[in-house]
Amino acid sequence: AQRVTQPEKLLSVFKGAPVELKCNYSYSGSPELFWYVQYSRQRLQLLLRHISRESIKGFTADLNKGETSFHLKKPFAQEEDSAMYYCALSGTGANNLFFGTGTRLTVIP
Amino acid sequence: KAGVTQTPRYLIKTRGQQVTLSCSPISGHRSVSWYQQTPGQGLQFLFEYFSETQRNKGNFPGRFSGRQFSNSRSEMNVSTLELGDSALYLCASSPDRPTSYEQYFGPGTRLTVT
Repeated sequence: AQRVTQPEKLLSVFKGAPVELKCNYSYSGSPELFWYVQYSRQRLQLLLRHISRESIKGFTADLNKGETSFHLKKPFAQEEDSAMYYCALSGTGANNLFFGTGTRLTVIP
Repeated sequence: KAGVTQTPRYLIKTRGQQVTLSCSPISGHRSVSWYQQTPGQGLQFLFEYFSETQRNKGNFPGRFSGRQFSNSRSEMNVSTLELGDSALYLCASSPDRPTSYEQYFGPGTRLTVT
């Protein structure tokens, strides 16, 4: 069975400090991993996906199959990064996402 | 392009009733997925429709059903409502893989069962 674990419900960092949001997963096949973000009063939206290896808004995430992790990182947090972050996975080629419970990031000015 | 729209945005129903929620995907998107979001269980996948056929299904009882029309608009129905069905129901559309791995979410329908 698939499972996505985000161990931190809340995370606070100071502006300019590095940020790491943790995500671990379990999946029997080859998963595809995503980070979705929800800013205040906005819709859930895709931040990045492992398959494209992009850097969006300064965020990166590397899929570590050995540790079954997909941690989200940013070297210097900005106030506008304050949001709810969800890690999610799907099976290869599938459109059904399995979400973690989310981490609320607060960047302190 | 207009985003995913969901109607109604808010709904109050009584236990035992049934409810129908509607989702209009982004123009050109043929895949529509539904999710339930609750404080206790988080975001859970309900089902996905593509070209009027259910393609994937989550682990929800048969009281939860859906359908998709030829214009890709989708509805989900919950029969015999229970208090635990109170949740935010999100719809997401996608142009489908392999052209896109991104799902575009609507604002949700907040269902309250009393």
